[in-house]
Amino acid sequence: AQSVTQLGSHVSVSEGALVLLRCNYSSSVPPYLFWYVQYPNQGLQLLLKYTTGATLVKGINGFEAEFKKSETSFHLTKPSAHMSDAAEYFCAVSDRRNYGGSQGNLIFGKGTKLSVKP
Amino acid sequence: DTAVSQTPKYLVTQMGNDKSIKCEQNLGHDTMYWYKQDSKKFLKIMFSYNNKELIINETVPNRFSPKSPDKAHLNLHINSLELGDSAVYFCASSQDWGGNYNEQFFGPGTRLTVL
Repeated sequence: AQSVTQLGSHVSVSEGALVLLRCNYSSSVPPYLFWYVQYPNQGLQLLLKYTTGATLVKGINGFEAEFKKSETSFHLTKPSAHMSDAAEYFCAVSDRRNYGGSQGNLIFGKGTKLSVKP
Repeated sequence: DTAVSQTPKYLVTQMGNDKSIKCEQNLGHDTMYWYKQDSKKFLKIMFSYNNKELIINETVPNRFSPKSPDKAHLNLHINSLELGDSAVYFCASSQDWGGNYNEQFFGPGTRLTVL
């Protein structure tokens, strides 16, 4: 079964500093991995995803993540934090019920709250 | 134009009542979902529905039932509400099964409070 672990429930950085949010996954099949962001009182929005191909994935708002199979990781980074980045971030792995099939749901990590200090 | 909408945004009700939350998507997607987000922000899939095929998370009580009157709607019905049902419920949709590789689009959420 697939699972996701996000290290650190709360990360605080200064404006302009590097953002690093950690995600490790467990999957019995080649994983499809996602990062979603949730701004206060809103639904989730996709930041980026990895399915196949290039392991460094670029997303919206200057975020990127690198898939490292050997480390079973998919950490999210951004070179320079903005105040508007303050939100809850969720890493997710697809629950591919039938490997090679089309069914599946998202298994989410517990989320990391990012705070950005002026 | 809201892609995925939910009504109501807030729902306060008494224990034992029956309530419904409506969800509509105007994206032409084939698959719709319901998630529960608890007070610690943990997100759990409840149901996914595609073309009359329903996948149920086995941990979801049978007091919860999704109903799809048409492809654009997946409403959530809850019977005999309990205190533990208090949470934020999110509807989502995707083209085909989203757990494969397709992006899921989320609604704004419905905050349910059971007194």
